[in-house]
Amino acid sequence: EAGVTQFPSHSVIEKGQTVTLRCDPISGHDNLYWYRRVMGKEIKFLLHFVKESKQDESGMPNNRFLAERTGGTYSTLKVQPAELEDSGVYFCASSRVGTATQETQYFGPGTRLLVL
Amino acid sequence: AQTVTQSQPEMSVQEAETVTLSCTYDTSESDYYLFWYKQPPSRQMILVIRQEAYKQQNATENRFSVNFQKAAKSFSLKISDSQLGDAAMYFCAYSYGGSNYKLTFGKGTLLTVNP
Repeated sequence: EAGVTQFPSHSVIEKGQTVTLRCDPISGHDNLYWYRRVMGKEIKFLLHFVKESKQDESGMPNNRFLAERTGGTYSTLKVQPAELEDSGVYFCASSRVGTATQETQYFGPGTRLLVL
Repeated sequence: AQTVTQSQPEMSVQEAETVTLSCTYDTSESDYYLFWYKQPPSRQMILVIRQEAYKQQNATENRFSVNFQKAAKSFSLKISDSQLGDAAMYFCAYSYGGSNYKLTFGKGTLLTVNP
């Protein structure tokens, strides 16, 4: 079974540019989560999809961030326009829908974003 | 709001020895879940161990065990017979459950294993 994959692994952009991150969850996982770790700080929750619906987007920092999950498969996270404080590692995780055990989250390797 | 605190930014242990990583949390919920995740260098984060708050028995997974003290809101991870492959960043995390198992993480503890 293929794991969670994320693309790109690294991205370096200039302030004001747009970047789109992609996450491919494990096949059959309806839950998809985005998290972010800013240097030296905790990993923070951004949002949660169940299939194509946004279940919880309480962690999205502002309206420069747009997440989509068309068709309930892969998800994209777009940052437009990027600011310096957006730099960090963006993690995606997926899980099945079910009990707490079944909903164990499997993480991708992350995308390292650097905004200059 | 729930918070998770890991007070040890870095820890080191000799190979084959035992090490304990600390974690405390704050929540007003009575039913919740606690986790330890491990992220080896340049690799994906993986689940090490899970504890359901309603279970009094401490969870164990091979060389990994937890000391769950619900009243004290403490959740430490003990690694026995440490191996070089245990070197990683360890994150303590909390989840309330319900319809959204989003995780609240601590800042992490970087564990070094010395040969």
